[in-house]
Amino acid sequence: KAGVTQTPRYLIKTRGQQVTLSCSPISGHRSVSWYQQTPGQGLQFLFEYFSETQRNKGNFPGRFSGRQFSNSRSEMNVSTLELGDSALYLCASSLGGREVYEQYFGPGTRLTVT
Amino acid sequence: AQKVTQAQTEISVVEKEDVTLDCVYETRDTTYYLFWYKQPPSGELVFLIRRNSFDEQNEISGRYSWNFQKSTSSFNFTITASQVVDSAVYFCALSRTDSWGKLQFGAGTQVVVTP
Repeated sequence: KAGVTQTPRYLIKTRGQQVTLSCSPISGHRSVSWYQQTPGQGLQFLFEYFSETQRNKGNFPGRFSGRQFSNSRSEMNVSTLELGDSALYLCASSLGGREVYEQYFGPGTRLTVT
Repeated sequence: AQKVTQAQTEISVVEKEDVTLDCVYETRDTTYYLFWYKQPPSGELVFLIRRNSFDEQNEISGRYSWNFQKSTSSFNFTITASQVVDSAVYFCALSRTDSWGKLQFGAGTQVVVTP
């Protein structure tokens, strides 16, 4: 089975711009979670989608949003980029449902805001 | 509130030494899940183990072993006979049963194995 894929792998954006990151989960996985990883804050949960619905959300401002499509692929959007948004954004997929399954992570998208 | 503490920031060992990573967690839930992940220099988080709060049986998988002690809220991880390829950051994580995809990660422990 193919693993979780994320595109693009690297991005350089200017402050004030917006960006969209994409994540394709493992086949058969219906849950997709997003995390932000920075040296200062570590790994922080952004949100989770299951069957095209956002089920959970972390403590991030409304500039961070996401969606999930019927094929379970997910996108994350960050509007009005700030320098502090520079981070590694990780997507993870799991079977989902009511059970807590392990999450499998993609390689991440390295976002640099200048 | 939930919290995961990995007090060791970095551990350096020589190849073939054993290394134990500590993980202490806080939760008010009676049912929860614990995880360990490995992040090599490539950056991708690799799943190692999932354990639910009702299963305190220790586990061994090859050179890896885990010691779960509910009484002390600890879920420690040992690498036996370490190898250079074990060099990575190791994260402990906690999940509630109704967390809907949210893993609460510890700060991570950097393991450096030198030949």
